[in-house]
Amino acid sequence: GQQLNQSPQSMFIQEGEDVSMNCTSSSIFNTWLWYKQDPGEGPVLLIALYKAGELTSNGRLTAQFGITRKDSFLNISASIPSDVGIYFCAGHNAGGTSYGKLTFGQGTILTVHP
Amino acid sequence: SAVISQKPSRDICQRGTSLTIQCQVDSQVTMMFWYRQQPGQSLTLIATANQGSEATYESGFVIDKFPISRPNLTFSTLTVSNMSPEDSSIYLCSVEEVGGRSSYNEQFFGPGTRLTVL
Repeated sequence: GQQLNQSPQSMFIQEGEDVSMNCTSSSIFNTWLWYKQDPGEGPVLLIALYKAGELTSNGRLTAQFGITRKDSFLNISASIPSDVGIYFCAGHNAGGTSYGKLTFGQGTILTVHP
Repeated sequence: SAVISQKPSRDICQRGTSLTIQCQVDSQVTMMFWYRQQPGQSLTLIATANQGSEATYESGFVIDKFPISRPNLTFSTLTVSNMSPEDSSIYLCSVEEVGGRSSYNEQFFGPGTRLTVL
């Protein structure tokens, strides 16, 4: 089946630093989604990417859909303590028997030191 | 986006018992899904909850262990049957909304149910 490799697994940064994480896949996805999960909560959708090459921003977050449709990255600029959490990428294949199914990366645990 | 609630939010259960988790959405949605998130792990899709018909299960998950109901477009239940400690996980429902940007396949998650099996 489809697999997503997300890196890094964890990051420890100082407040104000920029952060970058990425996901790669052995298969093509039609949509890439980035989620953040706070402790004790469900994942919250941060950014959705729909087209190869697309670059989308949401406040301090920027994400890109790789041109090959097999990768995506998420950048966080000027990190703040509330950015702490686990970030997941997810790929969505809208075709055939895979319709509606998300494949998730392993997650990146972000710790921000004040 | 839709507002999703789950009940219970957490539970501690004895081995061999069953627990039914409810997922309620404040608007009609095309698709509902159930995921499992084992401690420190990512999310794994259990099944797609189909309205008015049997759920579609992913490899490694079976109906006898995880029976699912979806009587309408706003509600679904997942039962974890004959539980063992290995079933200790967070169980999450997610939804995909009707119309609008639903063709872009954005899924939104409930807050999760934290299950501990002793």
